[in-house]
Amino acid sequence: KAGVTQTPRYLIKTRGQQVTLSCSPISGHRSVSWYQQTPGQGLQFLFEYFSETQRNKGNFPGRFSGRQFSNSRSEMNVSTLELGDSALYLCASNSGGDYNEQFFGPGTRLTVL
Amino acid sequence: KQEVTQIPAALSVPEGENLVLNCSFTDSAIYNLQWFRQDPGKGLTSLLLIQSSQREQTSGRLNASLDKSSGRSTLYIAASQPGDSATYLCAVKEASNYQLIWGAGTKLIIKP
Repeated sequence: KAGVTQTPRYLIKTRGQQVTLSCSPISGHRSVSWYQQTPGQGLQFLFEYFSETQRNKGNFPGRFSGRQFSNSRSEMNVSTLELGDSALYLCASNSGGDYNEQFFGPGTRLTVL
Repeated sequence: KQEVTQIPAALSVPEGENLVLNCSFTDSAIYNLQWFRQDPGKGLTSLLLIQSSQREQTSGRLNASLDKSSGRSTLYIAASQPGDSATYLCAVKEASNYQLIWGAGTKLIIKP
């Protein structure tokens, strides 16, 4: 069974640009969550999608958005990049059901210059 | 508001020792608790998941316990090895909205 894949693995952008990150969950999983990880703030929840609908949202500005497609693949977009957006962005595939376990991808390392 | 605390923040021990990592949470209304491992610059690897109705889970040299009433979980690592060196994170899934609330992690170094 393939794991969670995230593309690209590394990105370098400049302030003011926008970026789109992609996540493909484990086959059969319908829910995807996104997290931002920085040395100062640790892991912070961005949003969760289930069956193409945003189910939960963290406390991030509107520059951060996401969507999920009918095949459960998800994208997140950050517009008007700021230096503080430099982080490791992690996607989690949620098993659902009684166990409701999360499985993480390798992450996308975004550097904003 | 749920808060998750991990103590210690860092731990360095010689190879072969048994060790315990601690995780505490303030609200006992949890759905489950998960322990993860993160190697530098990498994603998270799920180690153990304990449902709110369970007391412990075991996988190989790892044993995680959960005491919901006191808001505590421990991760026990037996016969530690240099390959166990990583940051260990615990995360509590809230029962109300299934959001994961994270601890800051314990950075573990196992010295050969």
